[in-house]
Amino acid sequence: SQTIHQWPATLVQPVGSPLSLECTVEGTSNPNLYWYRQAAGRGLQLLFYSVGIGQISSEVPQNLSASRPQDRQFILSSKKLLLSDSGFYLCAWSVGRKQPQHFGDGTRLSIL
Amino acid sequence: KQEVTQIPAALSVPEGENLVLNCSFTDSAIYNLQWFRQDPGKGLTSLLLIQSSQREQTSGRLNASLDKSSGRSTLYIAASQPGDSATYLCAVYAGNMLTFGGGTRLMVKP
Repeated sequence: SQTIHQWPATLVQPVGSPLSLECTVEGTSNPNLYWYRQAAGRGLQLLFYSVGIGQISSEVPQNLSASRPQDRQFILSSKKLLLSDSGFYLCAWSVGRKQPQHFGDGTRLSIL
Repeated sequence: KQEVTQIPAALSVPEGENLVLNCSFTDSAIYNLQWFRQDPGKGLTSLLLIQSSQREQTSGRLNASLDKSSGRSTLYIAASQPGDSATYLCAVYAGNMLTFGGGTRLMVKP
Protein backbone atom coordinates (compact mmCIF):
# COMPACT_ATOMS: atom_id res chain seq x y z
CA SER A 1 0.00 0.00 0.00
CA GLN A 2 1.02 3.59 -0.53
CA THR A 3 2.18 5.83 2.29
CA ILE A 4 3.27 9.44 2.52
CA HIS A 5 5.68 10.82 5.10
CA GLN A 6 6.31 14.43 6.06
CA TRP A 7 8.84 15.75 8.50
CA PRO A 8 9.30 17.41 10.80
CA ALA A 9 5.84 17.45 12.39
CA THR A 10 6.45 20.82 14.04
CA LEU A 11 9.09 23.47 13.49
CA VAL A 12 9.84 26.80 15.13
CA GLN A 13 12.17 29.06 13.19
CA PRO A 14 13.37 32.66 13.55
CA VAL A 15 12.63 35.24 10.87
CA GLY A 16 15.33 35.22 8.20
CA SER A 17 16.40 31.62 8.74
CA PRO A 18 16.34 28.99 5.97
CA LEU A 19 13.73 26.24 5.64
CA SER A 20 13.65 22.72 4.30
CA LEU A 21 10.59 20.50 4.61
CA GLU A 22 10.66 17.03 3.16
CA CYS A 23 7.96 14.75 1.83
CA THR A 24 8.39 11.20 0.56
CA VAL A 25 5.93 8.74 -0.91
CA GLU A 26 6.25 4.98 -0.83
CA GLY A 27 4.49 2.26 -2.74
CA THR A 28 3.90 4.04 -6.02
CA SER A 29 5.90 5.28 -9.00
CA ASN A 30 5.82 8.62 -10.80
CA PRO A 31 3.20 10.20 -8.57
CA ASN A 32 1.95 13.74 -8.95
CA LEU A 33 3.15 15.63 -5.87
CA TYR A 34 1.71 18.74 -4.26
CA TRP A 35 2.57 21.24 -1.52
CA TYR A 36 -0.29 23.10 0.18
CA ARG A 37 -0.37 25.67 2.95
CA GLN A 38 -3.21 26.05 5.43
CA ALA A 39 -3.01 29.40 7.17
CA ALA A 40 -5.26 30.35 10.06
CA GLY A 41 -8.59 31.59 8.75
CA ARG A 42 -7.56 31.26 5.09
CA GLY A 43 -8.19 27.66 4.07
CA LEU A 44 -5.98 25.42 1.99
CA GLN A 45 -3.93 26.94 -0.81
CA LEU A 46 -1.92 25.07 -3.44
CA LEU A 47 1.69 26.27 -3.50
CA PHE A 48 3.48 23.90 -5.90
CA TYR A 49 2.82 20.75 -7.86
CA SER A 50 5.08 18.37 -9.77
CA VAL A 51 4.28 15.77 -12.41
CA GLY A 52 7.84 14.40 -12.59
CA ILE A 53 11.46 14.72 -11.49
CA GLY A 54 12.67 18.26 -11.86
CA GLN A 55 9.26 19.51 -13.05
CA ILE A 56 7.82 22.11 -10.68
CA SER A 57 4.87 24.42 -11.23
CA SER A 58 4.02 27.27 -8.89
CA GLU A 59 0.50 28.54 -8.34
CA VAL A 60 1.25 31.64 -6.27
CA PRO A 61 4.20 34.02 -6.13
CA GLN A 62 5.95 33.72 -2.80
CA ASN A 63 9.06 33.42 -0.71
CA LEU A 64 9.18 29.65 -1.08
CA SER A 65 10.54 27.20 -3.65
CA ALA A 66 10.11 23.50 -4.28
CA SER A 67 12.30 20.79 -5.74
CA ARG A 68 11.86 17.18 -6.74
CA PRO A 69 15.30 15.55 -6.77
CA GLN A 70 13.91 12.00 -6.88
CA ASP A 71 10.72 10.42 -8.17
CA ARG A 72 9.09 10.12 -4.75
CA GLN A 73 10.72 13.02 -2.90
CA PHE A 74 9.37 16.54 -2.76
CA ILE A 75 11.12 19.33 -0.86
CA LEU A 76 9.82 22.75 0.15
CA SER A 77 12.48 25.38 0.83
CA SER A 78 13.12 28.98 1.65
CA LYS A 79 16.36 30.94 1.88
CA LYS A 80 14.93 33.49 4.34
CA LEU A 81 11.70 32.93 6.21
CA LEU A 82 9.15 35.70 6.72
CA LEU A 83 6.57 35.98 9.48
CA SER A 84 3.89 35.44 6.84
CA ASP A 85 5.32 31.98 6.08
CA SER A 86 3.82 30.62 9.30
CA GLY A 87 1.19 27.96 8.75
CA PHE A 88 0.40 24.30 8.39
CA TYR A 89 2.15 22.77 5.36
CA LEU A 90 0.71 19.69 3.75
CA CYS A 91 2.16 17.42 1.11
CA ALA A 92 -0.09 15.29 -1.09
CA TRP A 93 0.23 12.78 -3.90
CA SER A 94 -1.98 11.28 -6.58
CA VAL A 95 -1.46 8.73 -9.36
CA GLY A 96 -2.92 11.13 -11.91
CA ARG A 97 -4.59 14.47 -12.01
CA LYS A 98 -8.10 13.00 -12.06
CA GLN A 99 -7.41 10.62 -9.21
CA PRO A 100 -7.85 11.21 -5.47
CA GLN A 101 -5.20 13.19 -3.68
CA HIS A 102 -3.82 11.68 -0.49
CA PHE A 103 -2.32 13.88 2.19
CA GLY A 104 0.47 13.59 4.71
CA ASP A 105 0.13 14.53 8.37
CA GLY A 106 1.52 18.01 7.81
CA THR A 107 4.21 20.24 9.31
CA ARG A 108 3.21 23.08 11.60
CA LEU A 109 5.65 25.94 11.01
CA SER A 110 5.86 28.84 13.45
CA ILE A 111 8.04 31.84 12.66
CA LEU A 112 9.25 33.96 15.58
CA LYS B 1 -11.35 31.81 -11.04
CA GLN B 2 -12.93 28.85 -9.24
CA GLU B 3 -14.47 29.57 -5.84
CA VAL B 4 -15.74 26.91 -3.48
CA THR B 5 -18.12 27.68 -0.62
CA GLN B 6 -19.22 25.40 2.19
CA ILE B 7 -22.31 25.93 4.29
CA PRO B 8 -22.67 25.86 7.23
CA ALA B 9 -19.28 26.84 8.60
CA ALA B 10 -20.04 24.99 11.82
CA LEU B 11 -22.64 22.47 12.88
CA SER B 12 -23.46 20.84 16.19
CA VAL B 13 -25.85 17.88 16.33
CA PRO B 14 -26.81 15.18 18.86
CA GLU B 15 -25.57 11.68 18.25
CA GLY B 16 -27.72 9.57 15.91
CA GLU B 17 -28.91 12.40 13.66
CA ASN B 18 -28.65 12.26 9.90
CA LEU B 19 -27.04 15.38 8.51
CA VAL B 20 -26.15 17.10 5.24
CA LEU B 21 -23.14 19.24 4.49
CA ASN B 22 -23.27 21.54 1.48
CA CYS B 23 -20.62 22.57 -1.03
CA SER B 24 -21.04 24.91 -4.00
CA PHE B 25 -18.58 25.90 -6.73
CA THR B 26 -18.68 28.65 -9.32
CA ASP B 27 -17.17 26.98 -12.41
CA SER B 28 -18.80 23.72 -13.50
CA ALA B 29 -15.86 22.74 -15.75
CA ILE B 30 -14.37 20.32 -13.22
CA TYR B 31 -12.78 16.87 -13.50
CA ASN B 32 -13.95 15.66 -10.11
CA LEU B 33 -14.96 16.67 -6.59
CA GLN B 34 -13.40 15.23 -3.46
CA TRP B 35 -14.60 15.26 0.16
CA PHE B 36 -12.04 15.18 2.95
CA ARG B 37 -12.05 14.94 6.71
CA GLN B 38 -9.54 16.84 8.86
CA ASP B 39 -9.07 16.20 12.57
CA PRO B 40 -7.55 19.04 14.63
CA GLY B 41 -3.84 19.49 13.91
CA LYS B 42 -3.83 16.63 11.43
CA GLY B 43 -3.64 16.15 7.68
CA LEU B 44 -6.57 15.43 5.39
CA THR B 45 -8.20 12.04 4.99
CA SER B 46 -9.89 11.41 1.66
CA LEU B 47 -13.49 10.27 2.13
CA LEU B 48 -15.08 10.17 -1.32
CA LEU B 49 -14.24 11.22 -4.85
CA ILE B 50 -16.92 11.83 -7.48
CA GLN B 51 -15.84 12.05 -11.11
CA SER B 52 -17.55 14.73 -13.18
CA SER B 53 -19.56 12.08 -15.04
CA GLN B 54 -20.92 10.57 -11.83
CA ARG B 55 -23.90 11.64 -9.73
CA GLU B 56 -23.01 10.08 -6.38
CA GLN B 57 -20.63 7.91 -4.40
CA THR B 58 -21.22 5.94 -1.22
CA SER B 59 -18.90 4.64 1.47
CA GLY B 60 -20.43 3.16 4.60
CA ARG B 61 -22.54 5.83 6.32
CA LEU B 62 -21.38 8.50 3.88
CA ASN B 63 -23.04 9.44 0.61
CA ALA B 64 -21.84 12.26 -1.61
CA SER B 65 -23.81 13.65 -4.53
CA LEU B 66 -22.75 15.91 -7.37
CA ASP B 67 -24.86 18.19 -9.56
CA LYS B 68 -22.25 19.67 -11.85
CA SER B 69 -24.64 21.84 -13.84
CA SER B 70 -25.81 23.69 -10.74
CA GLY B 71 -22.37 23.68 -9.11
CA ARG B 72 -23.41 21.80 -5.99
CA SER B 73 -22.41 18.79 -3.95
CA THR B 74 -23.74 17.41 -0.70
CA LEU B 75 -22.22 15.04 1.83
CA TYR B 76 -24.83 13.03 3.71
CA ILE B 77 -23.79 11.40 6.98
CA ALA B 78 -26.22 8.82 8.36
CA ALA B 79 -26.62 8.03 12.04
CA SER B 80 -23.90 10.43 13.17
CA GLN B 81 -21.48 9.39 15.93
CA PRO B 82 -19.18 11.40 18.23
CA GLY B 83 -16.23 9.99 16.25
CA ASP B 84 -17.53 11.86 13.19
CA SER B 85 -16.58 15.16 14.86
CA ALA B 86 -14.05 16.86 12.59
CA THR B 87 -13.80 19.49 9.87
CA TYR B 88 -15.13 18.38 6.49
CA LEU B 89 -13.65 19.92 3.37
CA CYS B 90 -14.79 19.68 -0.22
CA ALA B 91 -12.48 20.40 -3.12
CA VAL B 92 -12.98 20.56 -6.88
CA TYR B 93 -10.31 19.55 -9.37
CA ALA B 94 -9.93 21.58 -12.56
CA GLY B 95 -6.86 22.29 -14.65
CA ASN B 96 -4.01 21.08 -12.50
CA MET B 97 -5.25 22.03 -9.09
CA LEU B 98 -7.66 21.32 -6.30
CA THR B 99 -9.58 24.32 -5.02
CA PHE B 100 -10.83 23.90 -1.47
CA GLY B 101 -13.80 25.26 0.38
CA GLY B 102 -13.42 26.75 3.83
CA GLY B 103 -14.79 23.62 5.51
CA THR B 104 -17.64 22.74 7.85
CA ARG B 105 -16.65 22.11 11.46
CA LEU B 106 -18.89 19.32 12.75
CA MET B 107 -19.43 18.41 16.36
CA VAL B 108 -21.53 15.37 17.25
CA LYS B 109 -22.54 15.36 20.90
CA PRO B 110 -23.05 12.09 22.77
